[in-house]
Amino acid sequence: QVQLQESGPGLVKPSETLSLSCAVSGYSISSGYYWGWIRQPPGKGLEWIGSIYQGGNTYYNPSLKSRVTISVDTSRNQFSLRLSSVTAADTAVYYCSLFEMVTNAFGVWGQGTVVTVSS
Amino acid sequence: DIQMTQSPSSLSASVGDRVTITCRASQSISTYLNWYQQKPGEAPKLLIYAASTLQSGVPSRFSASGSGTDFTLTISSLQPEDFATYYCEQHYSPTRVTFGQGTKVEIK
Repeated sequence: QVQLQESGPGLVKPSETLSLSCAVSGYSISSGYYWGWIRQPPGKGLEWIGSIYQGGNTYYNPSLKSRVTISVDTSRNQFSLRLSSVTAADTAVYYCSLFEMVTNAFGVWGQGTVVTVSS
Repeated sequence: DIQMTQSPSSLSASVGDRVTITCRASQSISTYLNWYQQKPGEAPKLLIYAASTLQSGVPSRFSASGSGTDFTLTISSLQPEDFATYYCEQHYSPTRVTFGQGTKVEIK
């Protein structure tokens, strides 16, 4: 059974870069699939940040595209999110997720990690 | 981008009530529509995929239908554990995934 676990700093200063990792267990990330990042600002709804396909193709939310990078590290069996030039509006719970081809849905989620942008 | 609009934004209902939530897409998305349930402090959980297919382990009181632009999620008899926020999500364009704004189901 695939399990995901986010990790990274809980506090980031404005204008700096937010960096998170998602450790994958129960599956070899190099075997493929479609991995994604979704966030949820306090008291608000879900926002898709972007996804990375097997083969390394990446797709980003147009509203964040200029600041986002998603990558895969097969040696560590994890994938990562980098969001540059953060502001208070980037404060949110960040989730990593597996988009399963069987269901064409985000079927497996990490527990989420809170990131606060503040000086 | 394809916009997803849910209604209502929130509702109050009693245990045993039948509850219906709708999700409308700004353009046709065929059946590339999923439903998720999120409880406070938890990650979202997949309920329904491909517009009407129940995810394994999800109680049969949940059902969904629709295609094109109009979709519904129905809970036939609301249970205490169903009080949560529900989101629709489209992936007609997998490079531009979007979620609805959510519908909060509260206890009446």
